[in-house]
Amino acid sequence: DGGITQSPKYLFRKEGQNVTLSCEQNLNHDAMYWYRQDPGQGLRLIYYSQIVNDFQKGDIAEGYSVSREKKESFPLTVTSAQKNPTAFYLCASERGNSYNEQFFGPGTRLTVL
Amino acid sequence: AQSVTQPDIHITVSEGASLELRCNYSYGATPYLFWYVQSPGQGLQLLLKYFSGDTLVQGIKGFEAEFKRSQSSFNLRKPSVHWSDAAEYFCAVSAAGGTSYGKLTFGQGTILTVHP
Repeated sequence: DGGITQSPKYLFRKEGQNVTLSCEQNLNHDAMYWYRQDPGQGLRLIYYSQIVNDFQKGDIAEGYSVSREKKESFPLTVTSAQKNPTAFYLCASERGNSYNEQFFGPGTRLTVL
Repeated sequence: AQSVTQPDIHITVSEGASLELRCNYSYGATPYLFWYVQSPGQGLQLLLKYFSGDTLVQGIKGFEAEFKRSQSSFNLRKPSVHWSDAAEYFCAVSAAGGTSYGKLTFGQGTILTVHP
């Protein structure tokens, strides 16, 4: 079945450590997105990529980094520079000419202790 | 810049009652509008979408939404709510407004509680 997978489901890290969240899709979509979700704030865009080896900052990119070496994969690194990294992180993908309809993965809950 | 407002943070309805979730948007061009649903700890599932044409759109799980340009609204409705509809609902508008890729702007979400 085609879809988006995110791993792990739950992630715990100590303060000051970098951590990488995985996002893989087998939908053959060109564009991929990372969102952060906090209670009562909806989803906020961190980074997005429309093509391999290219990506753009979203609204809250500070303290995060990404790479897009393969079409199927768009990992997100939460660095120690991110002031409040504890949140629910959602990855999404979008095919071309779809009026921006995005498909979402199941999410990763990151807790920094 | 585009924005989306969901005025109701939390709505409680009885099972079998009708439901309307409000969504207002601000966007200069013709909007592309979406409603997503999220169960606790899960990802988002697309309920329905509006691109053009008939302003009343049908979605999955018996939901529908009506686009009203004059009111800048895209309210979600269901005639009879089931206990399994309890979830958080998000309205979103496309920033690209076209066939190119673009980010979605989301509302803050409305939490729906269903009483038996």
